[in-house]
Parts: sequence; C-alpha cells; structure tokens
Amino acid sequence: GENVEQHPSTLSVQEGDSAVIKCTYSDSASNYFPWYKQELGKGPQLIIDIRSNVGEKKDQRIAVTLNKTAKHFSLHITETQPEDSAVYFCAASTTGGFKTIFGAGTRLFVKA
Amino acid sequence: EAGVTQFPSHSVIEKGQTVTLRCDPISGHDNLYWYRRVMGKEIKFLLHFVKESKQDESGMPNNRFLAERTGGTYSTLKVQPAELEDSGVYFCASSKTLQGKNNEQFFGPGTRLTVL
Repeated sequence: GENVEQHPSTLSVQEGDSAVIKCTYSDSASNYFPWYKQELGKGPQLIIDIRSNVGEKKDQRIAVTLNKTAKHFSLHITETQPEDSAVYFCAASTTGGFKTIFGAGTRLFVKA
Repeated sequence: EAGVTQFPSHSVIEKGQTVTLRCDPISGHDNLYWYRRVMGKEIKFLLHFVKESKQDESGMPNNRFLAERTGGTYSTLKVQPAELEDSGVYFCASSKTLQGKNNEQFFGPGTRLTVL
C-alpha cells in the first residue's frame, strides 16, 4: 500500500546549526507534499508545502526540496532556534484527493 | 476564528468499554478528517467526511469504530468495545473545498485515548 518513510526519528542540533529531515514516498501518483510541525500539546500545523511541478521552495529559514524521479523530498531548517524544537511530519497526497499519508515523524531538539 | 476543537483531551478506559470522541471543525469547512497516531508511528488516516457524507473510510481499522457527522457540523468517533491496541492520539482535521487544489488541513489538539 501507500506509505511514506521518514528519517531520522530523532535529531538533535546545536542552536544556529542546520537540520535536515528526509522522506521517501511509494505512490507515484503523489503530487502534493506538505510538512507539519507539532508542538507539545497541540495538533500538527502546516509549515510549508511543495507541489510536484516545483523542485524547491523556500520560506525564510525553511526550505523543501523534491526529487520526483527518486520519490524523495526533504525539509531543511537553517539557523535553528530553540523554538524550532518540535515533532515534524512529512506527508504526501494527490491533487483533488484528500487522503494524506504521513511519515512517522522526526523529533527535533535544538540545544541552546 | 476558532480552530478545530476536540473533546475530551484525554480519556482512560478499560478494555471492553465504550468511548466517544467529539470534533468540532472550523466553521464553514465541509471536509472533516479523523486520524490516529499510535506511539512513535505515523499519523494514520481513518476517514474523510464531506459535509455529512463519508467520502473515504478506507482507514477505519474494523467495525468497532463508528464515525458520524450528522448535520454536517461536528463529528463523533465511537469505539465499542475498546481494545488495548486502540490506544493512541486521535486527531481531527478540517479543510475547505477548493476545486482542483490541495486544501490545507487544520488539525485539532487531539484526544489521547488510553485503554487499560
């Protein structure tokens, strides 16, 4: 069935360093890839997304890249800050489809 | 604008009991979704409503789970009878419908269900 693999499961970085989270997906029909951030006691919140006709998208300190051929996509956070500490989920779905397949999450710790 | 709300935030029940979770979506959002996350694993899709209709319930684990959305507003998810493996965090999300586009899903804070 459809699945999304996410790595690493835990990531610890020093404040100011970069963090990279990688995902692979299995359904070749997937063409929409959102990333969610979940803070303690809250639900996941969309932070950035990318569509399959785009290879890279950037929003301030976060960027996403997509390699459709390899079915890989990644989240890059630069100049990490303690408030970036959270669980991050990658996901995949299809345009017009509503079923979203999530990865298992990456717990990011940013040490001050 | 109020976000997605879920009730209760926590529920602890014994195996064999019944539990009903409630979700109130953002006003005006026709789409409502239920998801579940078992400890350390992926957020797994359970089902999707469009207004009061079940559009996709392919993720529902078995017939012990019943979701309803009467009137197309709030939704309930009932587990009867609960089993140990039903423990996890149940998330509800809602979204608008925009033709031909992927629509941002807004998540509630979740209900943490523990079955003892």
